[in-house]
Amino acid sequence: EDQVTQSPEALRLQEGESSSLNCSYTVSGLRGLFWYRQDPGKGPEFLFTLYSAGEEKEKERLKATLTKKESFLHITAPKPEDSATYLCAVQPNTGNQFYFGTGTSLTVIP
Amino acid sequence: DTEVTQTPKHLVMGMTNKKSLKCEQHMGHRAMYWYKQKAKKPPELMFVYSYEKLSINESVPSRFSPECPNSSLLNLHLHALQPEDSALYLCASSHPTGNYGYTFGSGTRLTVV
Repeated sequence: EDQVTQSPEALRLQEGESSSLNCSYTVSGLRGLFWYRQDPGKGPEFLFTLYSAGEEKEKERLKATLTKKESFLHITAPKPEDSATYLCAVQPNTGNQFYFGTGTSLTVIP
Repeated sequence: DTEVTQTPKHLVMGMTNKKSLKCEQHMGHRAMYWYKQKAKKPPELMFVYSYEKLSINESVPSRFSPECPNSSLLNLHLHALQPEDSALYLCASSHPTGNYGYTFGSGTRLTVV
């Protein structure tokens, strides 16, 4: 069964304190893994797509990496405006559906 | 245009009302989706349209009725909803294969009273 698990569920960081969010997945075959940021009451905002193990993508203070079983979203020197829920979604080789993880709620304290 | 536009942003309806949610995109995407999201939960897939045809219905109750009039528009007709249907309803669009990810709208916050 396809499954996506994110950890931790919630994370509080001091401004400037770097950390990583985890997304573990089990799918029969991975077409793509996607990271989204979601602010309260808003739709998810696309961040990254990763397709193969070893791939890395960067955007400002965020860096996403992918292995055969998990993905990490590294946040370097976060700022309060990085506070949001970060969602991971996995697309298996069959079909065009995504399976979302439960998200990590990140709070960055000034 | 790289946006998915949803209207209205907020909707309050009674359990006997009929209302519709609207979604529009002009990115040339031929797959469109409706998701339901409860507070502090991930989005849950409701319906998938591919080339204007319903391809996936995730066992959604018949009080939710989707419609795709053309390749740019997606509607969700609501009738006889229950208070537990209150949620954020998200529309998304993508390349038909889903490759390159989904583009989400900002959602409609629905409250059923």
